[in-house]
Amino acid sequence: KQEVTQIPAALSVPEGENLVLNCSFTDSAIYNLQWFRQDPGKGLTSLLLIQSSQREQTSGRLNASLDKSSGRSTLYIAASQPGDSATYLCAVKRNYGQNFVFGPGTRLSVLP
Amino acid sequence: EAGVAQSPRYKIIEKRQSVAFWCNPISGHATLYWYQQILGQGPKLLIQFQNNGVVDDSQLPKDRFSAERLKGVDSTLKIQPAKLEDSAVYLCASSLVGGTGIPEAFFGQGTRLTVV
Repeated sequence: KQEVTQIPAALSVPEGENLVLNCSFTDSAIYNLQWFRQDPGKGLTSLLLIQSSQREQTSGRLNASLDKSSGRSTLYIAASQPGDSATYLCAVKRNYGQNFVFGPGTRLSVLP
Repeated sequence: EAGVAQSPRYKIIEKRQSVAFWCNPISGHATLYWYQQILGQGPKLLIQFQNNGVVDDSQLPKDRFSAERLKGVDSTLKIQPAKLEDSAVYLCASSLVGGTGIPEAFFGQGTRLTVV
């Protein structure tokens, strides 16, 4: 059974810092991994999706990497801003037609 | 492109009452998911549909929860009777299946259910 963990559970940083969020999964046989952002009281917004054959994906100040063999993914946020404050969730999919298994999330606060 | 639509946004009911949630996925998305997210936790899958067939409902408490997806488009999730521990956000998501499309999942805003 796939289990996904995220470290740290919460993180508070001053504006402008670069930061890394970590995601680990127990079963390395994944199809893809997706990073989401969730603002309080809102749904999930997709940030980046990495297919199992890829090593990383980039979008603006965000960069996500994937190391399938070690069961790890990292989300790098450059030059953090107060607007980045949210909960960040990673989710993995084992096969093309299967569902996503989520981690518990990292709650990020960027202080002005 | 319109996103995943859910209604209602909020619902407060007493325990033992029934409640229903509605979801309209992105047009053309064959896969539809219902997730339950308890405060402070990641979403947990309740049920996954492929068109109007069930792919995975292994974590759906079938004694009180039911879901259907008529005509392979809209879906409803029902709880009857509700318990206090059902208080959570219910998220609907959809994704594209088939062809060369990458099955990225898109989520609705969710329905926040409070059972008192």
